[in-house]
Amino acid sequence: DIQMTQSPSTLSASVGDRVTITCRASQSVGSWLAWYRQKPGLAPNLLIYKASNLEGGVPSRFSGSGSGTEFTLTVSSLQPDDFATYYCLQYNGFPYTFGQGTKLEIK
Amino acid sequence: QVQLVESGGDVVQPGRSLRLSCAASGFTFGTYGIHWVRQAPGKGLEWVAVIWPDGSNKYYTDSVKGRFTISRDNSKNTVFLQMNSLRVEDTAVYYCARFCGGDCSPFDYWGQGTLVTVSS
Repeated sequence: DIQMTQSPSTLSASVGDRVTITCRASQSVGSWLAWYRQKPGLAPNLLIYKASNLEGGVPSRFSGSGSGTEFTLTVSSLQPDDFATYYCLQYNGFPYTFGQGTKLEIK
Repeated sequence: QVQLVESGGDVVQPGRSLRLSCAASGFTFGTYGIHWVRQAPGKGLEWVAVIWPDGSNKYYTDSVKGRFTISRDNSKNTVFLQMNSLRVEDTAVYYCARFCGGDCSPFDYWGQGTLVTVSS
């Protein structure tokens, strides 16, 4: 199975900050990588798919990059709504695997 | 509008069975694969299973193989997850999500989740 490792596990930041979360795969997943944001008690929400494609309706402050085994999610200017937990997902092959999550906290 | 609604979650004893349902509406159900993803209390997301749009292929995570069975009834726009020989570690919120594959957006819509608690 492909292991997905996110870093950091926790990130403290302020409104307006630029932040980056990294996701590393144990083997190449090509560009089959997605990012999700999850708020407490709610289902995850798709932000980025195929490594760098912004899902419709998602604010342009979110961007994704990378291919192969290393990927990043960047939020250019944090808004209050962005303090949540973020997950990467590889969907190159089954079983699909998620990263362990990055909790973005208010500093 | 696209909707996925899970049901069937309950409190059950270890070794017992449960069947979850995922009812879909607002899109062409027969063109989407449906996945189950679970989240144990306070933990991260874990992919569980998928069924192809026509039901021809099914895949499972190793920890549920031989115990869980995914199926679908395209005439009723519903996917099922039959869970047998339940274990304490199966306790989680179970979500269903759609994905049409390839260049489509993966898991662009999710249900609200249904809670399964396995406890003696």
